[in-house]
Amino acid sequence: AQTVTQSQPEMSVQEAETVTLSCTYDTSESDYYLFWYKQPPSRQMILVIRQEAYKQQNATENRFSVNFQKAAKSFSLKISDSQLGDAAMYFCAYDSNSGYALNFGKGTSLLVTP
Amino acid sequence: GAGVSQSPSNKVTEKGKDVELRCDPISGHTALYWYRQRLGQGLEFLIYFQGNSAPDKSGLPSDRFSAERTGESVSTLTIQRTQQEDSAVYLCASELGANYGYTFGSGTRLTVV
Repeated sequence: AQTVTQSQPEMSVQEAETVTLSCTYDTSESDYYLFWYKQPPSRQMILVIRQEAYKQQNATENRFSVNFQKAAKSFSLKISDSQLGDAAMYFCAYDSNSGYALNFGKGTSLLVTP
Repeated sequence: GAGVSQSPSNKVTEKGKDVELRCDPISGHTALYWYRQRLGQGLEFLIYFQGNSAPDKSGLPSDRFSAERTGESVSTLTIQRTQQEDSAVYLCASELGANYGYTFGSGTRLTVV
């Protein structure tokens, strides 16, 4: 089974600054998908960004972008111009192209300070 | 509705009782997933339904747990003879198709006392 590792249990960033959350994964597959999800205190999981492994271009969604390094099996999330509403748990997830459920990392708790 | 709906949002039950959790996915989403999230932890896969195929039950932690889904509609997760370690948030998600990304419900917080 593929493992997803988020090595930072907690991160802190000041409002308007930039923060990068790390994620690495272990797989022998060449075709797969990667996701970042946000879980605010309301506990509703929200899809932040999606990356297709066969695409070399890094995905971006407004202030959120990823640095996808396929050879290194790394998939970090960069949040630019951080806002108080970005405070949440962030989960990295691996999606096999073989029909299995998403495999999630343990999450990184992001604190945004004024 | 526009999103994935889960009910109840909170459930307190006595140890040994059975509980039934409901998930109403987005219309047209063929895949449906159940995950468990213990306090401060990540998401633990429980079961996966894809259309009319046999479900992937590989994540169910014991035979006290079962789930059903009729076609591409509502799913129910049943926990029999609840134990205190079953206390968690149970999250349901649906997906339009493979690899699109999940849409989650708000979860059911189950507390076993």
